[in-house]
Amino acid sequence: EADIYQTPRYLVIGTGKKITLECSQTMGHDKMYWYQQDPGMELHLIHYSYGVNSTEKGDLSSESTVSRIRTEHFPLTLESARPSHTSQYLCASSGVGRGSYEQYFGPGTRLTVT
Amino acid sequence: SQQGEEDPQALSIQEGENATMNCSYKTSINNLQWYRQNSGRGLVHLILIRSNEREKHSGRLRVTLDTSKKSSSLLITASRAADTASYFCAGITGANSKLTFGKGITLSVRP
Repeated sequence: EADIYQTPRYLVIGTGKKITLECSQTMGHDKMYWYQQDPGMELHLIHYSYGVNSTEKGDLSSESTVSRIRTEHFPLTLESARPSHTSQYLCASSGVGRGSYEQYFGPGTRLTVT
Repeated sequence: SQQGEEDPQALSIQEGENATMNCSYKTSINNLQWYRQNSGRGLVHLILIRSNEREKHSGRLRVTLDTSKKSSSLLITASRAADTASYFCAGITGANSKLTFGKGITLSVRP
């Protein structure tokens, strides 16, 4: 079982609300990632970080933002949620140094925007 | 653009049978990985095969890689009901560690 945690697991909110999805890992990994996954579909990378104060946008355009102030913490924020943001959000991390390609995933946050 | 494309998209077998899943990709890769996802959960890493390897085993899993055909296969032998899940292949290209995932294969193992 990977030591990577996401909260909340489920979230139902109204349109226009600001939300932050939390992700923490205790493995000391330098790389962290956020993916968006619709039911039965592939994962799309929306943000990643290779270390503290380093964040990059992923392959799928997203209106969310991320921050990496501490190694273990990689929160994702939506300033104004919309129904199109309804999806599952998966956080992952991978290890230290070159060649550490295996990613460890959290359980996900299922977001519903009404 | 997705890196991996799995085939078939859904597979239903009887417990004890072998399950073979295929993945094709478009661009050159440094390594290819297979992940499992149980319904509504995060992904679990199963196995990684590097571009200079042709076959790798891990327990009941056997993965092959054919870089000339840009394809990989995952074989699960003696399947169990607990193997029921979605399986994704994902490739890494270049010097970074970003993974690009395929759409996944839904495997159902009937007891």
